[in-house]
Amino acid sequence: DVKVTQSSRYLVKRTGEKVFLECVQDMDHENMFWYRQDPGLGLRLIYFSYDVKMKEKGDIPEGYSVSREKKERFSLILESASTNQTSMYLCASKLGRVTEAFFGQGTRLTVV
Amino acid sequence: AQSVTQPDIHITVSEGASLELRCNYSYGATPYLFWYVQSPGQGLQLLLKYFSGDTLVQGIKGFEAEFKRSQSSFNLRKPSVHWSDAAEYFCAVGQGAQKLVFGQGTRLTINP
Repeated sequence: DVKVTQSSRYLVKRTGEKVFLECVQDMDHENMFWYRQDPGLGLRLIYFSYDVKMKEKGDIPEGYSVSREKKERFSLILESASTNQTSMYLCASKLGRVTEAFFGQGTRLTVV
Repeated sequence: AQSVTQPDIHITVSEGASLELRCNYSYGATPYLFWYVQSPGQGLQLLLKYFSGDTLVQGIKGFEAEFKRSQSSFNLRKPSVHWSDAAEYFCAVGQGAQKLVFGQGTRLTINP
């Protein structure tokens, strides 16, 4: 089975802190994604990566950056956390175009 | 732009009753369609997927969905729900090369 692991289930950070959310997948998938989930808004794509060191902006990239130095790891970075970034963050990976995505357990981030 | 609409934010059904969750999509080409389920505090689990072929697809946990191109719909059904089906359900469409676009989600409550 594909396993997507997010490093933290719950995080509490202060406004202005730099925050790193880590995601690792174990199935050699090319594509990795970071979504943000908010009530009533579903999942919104922040960034995705289709290869090592490659990235593309999703629908809501403002205030975020990403890093993919190795194929199995995709990091989401909040350069200066703000309270409006309090949310559930979901990482996903998929093999190719006509395949499903596999999700991690999510990280619930609270910025105070 | 591609989009997915789940018209029902919240549905309540009695245990043992039938269920239908609606999903409409907007996509110019042949869509790749998915239904995911999310239990509280968890990541998303794939229920079923449609790529091509038979328009009625079977999934896990007794769920099925029917692709209707003329109606741009991919509704999820289950003939008899169980209390353990209480969760949030997301419809998604594969967009372009890699991305998935999600609907807003439908929260399902089961009455005993």
